[in-house]
Amino acid sequence: SAVISQKPSRDICQRGTSLTIQCQVDSQVTMMFWYRQQPGQSLTLIATANQGSEATYESGFVIDKFPISRPNLTFSTLTVSNMSPEDSSIYLCSVDLSGSEADTQYFGPGTRLTVL
Amino acid sequence: TQLLEQSPQFLSIQEGENLTVYCNSSSVFSSLQWYRQEPGEGPVLLVTVVTGGEVKKLKRLTFQFGDARKDSSLHITAAQPGDTGLYLCAGPFSNSGYALNFGKGTSLLVTP
Repeated sequence: SAVISQKPSRDICQRGTSLTIQCQVDSQVTMMFWYRQQPGQSLTLIATANQGSEATYESGFVIDKFPISRPNLTFSTLTVSNMSPEDSSIYLCSVDLSGSEADTQYFGPGTRLTVL
Repeated sequence: TQLLEQSPQFLSIQEGENLTVYCNSSSVFSSLQWYRQEPGEGPVLLVTVVTGGEVKKLKRLTFQFGDARKDSSLHITAAQPGDTGLYLCAGPFSNSGYALNFGKGTSLLVTP
């Protein structure tokens, strides 16, 4: 398994500002993912962040709005830019430990974002 | 789009009852995973099923993968208040490597 931490755990932000969320893993992993979980909803994939390459975004998510960094094999950041109340969600990072079991992913505790 | 449909969406039962949660799709998945998420936490992996027809048991939880690998079920025997949470099934995207496609979840409440 993997131990994943996220910072901040929660934040309340003003409309129009940006927030950078950090994700730290206790081991080196190739694939990291960012998901969004809107209130009362399931998880939606935002992007895949592999070290050494540009993040790959899912339909409906763009780099200008959700820039991602992946500087090394244990760390990634997701920025939520020019926030609006519709961005209020839980943002989760996850890692894939391919080689341990098929398609096994482990999630961080999430960052609960409220935009006023 | 590989949609995963979960049912029921909400379930409220008393301690000691049995329940089954279903996860269905029209698409074939190489594997399906079940997660439980508690408020304020990220999802925690319960099990991964890989082989069609496979049955896995985790204490009072029994997971089954359909023969055609299009559906899965989670059965809880003698539910306890500690089982309360959001149960999510997920399967890998066919075109995004190991990224997961999640069902909408089943919110379970077990009252004493």
